[in-house]
Amino acid sequence: GENVEQHPSTLSVQEGDSAVIKCTYSDSASNYFPWYKQELGKRPQLIIDIRSNVGEKKDQRIAVTLNKTAKHFSLHITETQPEDSAVYFCAASFSGSARQLTFGSGTQLTVLP
Amino acid sequence: ETGVTQTPRHLVMGMTNKKSLKCEQHLGHNAMYWYKQSAKKPLELMFVYSLEERVENNSVPSRFSPECPNSSHLFLHLHTLQPEDSALYLCASSRGFEKLFFGSGTQLSVL
Repeated sequence: GENVEQHPSTLSVQEGDSAVIKCTYSDSASNYFPWYKQELGKRPQLIIDIRSNVGEKKDQRIAVTLNKTAKHFSLHITETQPEDSAVYFCAASFSGSARQLTFGSGTQLTVLP
Repeated sequence: ETGVTQTPRHLVMGMTNKKSLKCEQHLGHNAMYWYKQSAKKPLELMFVYSLEERVENNSVPSRFSPECPNSSHLFLHLHTLQPEDSALYLCASSRGFEKLFFGSGTQLSVL
């Protein structure tokens, strides 16, 4: 089955700096890669996703890049703000089958004021 | 609120108790899920229901028993749990198996 590795497990950045979280996946058939944000004591929420037919997707300060050849994808947050502090989870699946949605172990991002 | 409601928010139970977790979605979705979230571990998919039929059971112990009476409601029945079952149990729903909408979870403590 699919295996998703996520790094780093913790990340601290100064407010205004950029943050990058990386994930690798093992199943070359995976073609859907969402990212979820979970603030302390709250539910995970989808913040951005990408499909394997594109290499990059942006939404304001958030971007995700995908390298299919190397089987890795990354979340980039620019101009970080304290409210970006949360746990971020990457995931990978073969589109159309969420039962194969495999999550990474999460990254605790702390944005220092 | 995102439209996925879980009750109770917190639950403490002994190993001999029987309890149930409830999840309700008002988003018109056709798939519902139970996930287990333990500290510093990936979200673990437990069960998936699509159109009220179970389509996934990831080798979950029989002390966890799901029930999906209709497309809006999902239950997780618990009995004779172990302390290692203490975790946050998240319900989610989706349309077409993508873009999961999660509930706030039930924080379960097994004594």
